[in-house]
Amino acid sequence: DSGVTQTPKHLITATGQRVTLRCSPRSGDLSVYWYQQSLDQGLQFLIQYYNGEERAKGNILERFSAQQFPDLHSELNLSSLELGDSALYFCASSVGPAGGLHEQFFGPGTRLTVL
Amino acid sequence: AQTVTQSQPEMSVQEAETVTLSCTYDTSESDYYLFWYKQPPSRQMILVIRQEAYKQQNATENRFSVNFQKAAKSFSLKISDSQLGDAAMYFCAYTKRGGGADGLTFGKGTHLIIQP
Repeated sequence: DSGVTQTPKHLITATGQRVTLRCSPRSGDLSVYWYQQSLDQGLQFLIQYYNGEERAKGNILERFSAQQFPDLHSELNLSSLELGDSALYFCASSVGPAGGLHEQFFGPGTRLTVL
Repeated sequence: AQTVTQSQPEMSVQEAETVTLSCTYDTSESDYYLFWYKQPPSRQMILVIRQEAYKQQNATENRFSVNFQKAAKSFSLKISDSQLGDAAMYFCAYTKRGGGADGLTFGKGTHLIIQP
C-alpha cells in the first residue's frame, strides 16, 4: 500500500458524459501527478500540481482538467468522453515538486470504461 | 522532447536465472533521473530502482542492478536469481532534474515471464 488513495476503483460510463476521478496523496506529500495508461498510448503523464498550483503539463487533452484543493486532494475531470478515453488513470504523489528528486508513489488507479 | 524505448516487448527466464531488460532514451538534458518500475497483475506501479545521471556508479537494490551508459543513453536492468514474484511488466522511465519537472516519461514496457 503506497498510501495514495484513488476513488472510484472502477467507472463505467457512456460516450459524451463527464466524470470526476479523485485522488488523496500520502500524508505530507504536496505534489500530485496524473497519468493515463491505455493500450494505444501506453503510460502518459497528464498534469502535475504542487501545493494547489499547476506545476507542469503533459499530454492532457483540452477536454480534461484537474485541480488540487487546499486539503491537497486532487480531482481529474474528464468531459465529452470518447471510446478512446477508456484507460487506467493513475495518481501519484511526492513530497516535493521535483518528480525525479522526490520519489513518486502511485495509487492503485481508476479503471475508466467508456461504452 | 525526450523519448524512452524498450525494444523487448516480452522476455522469459527460468527461475533462479539472471535476466537483463533493455532501455534506451533520448534527451538533450545533461542532468536527469532514470527509473525502472514494476507493474504486477494487480496493476500497482512499484519503483524498483532509481539512477541519477550525474552519478557514475550504477544503482543496486538487492537482486536488482542497472547498467547505466550515459554516452550511449542506455539504461538496462539486471535481475539476478529470478523469482516467481518478479513476473510483471517492467517500465523504464525518465525525468529531467531541476525545476519545472515534466512528470515521468515511460517506455512501452517489457513483459517478464518467469518459468518455474
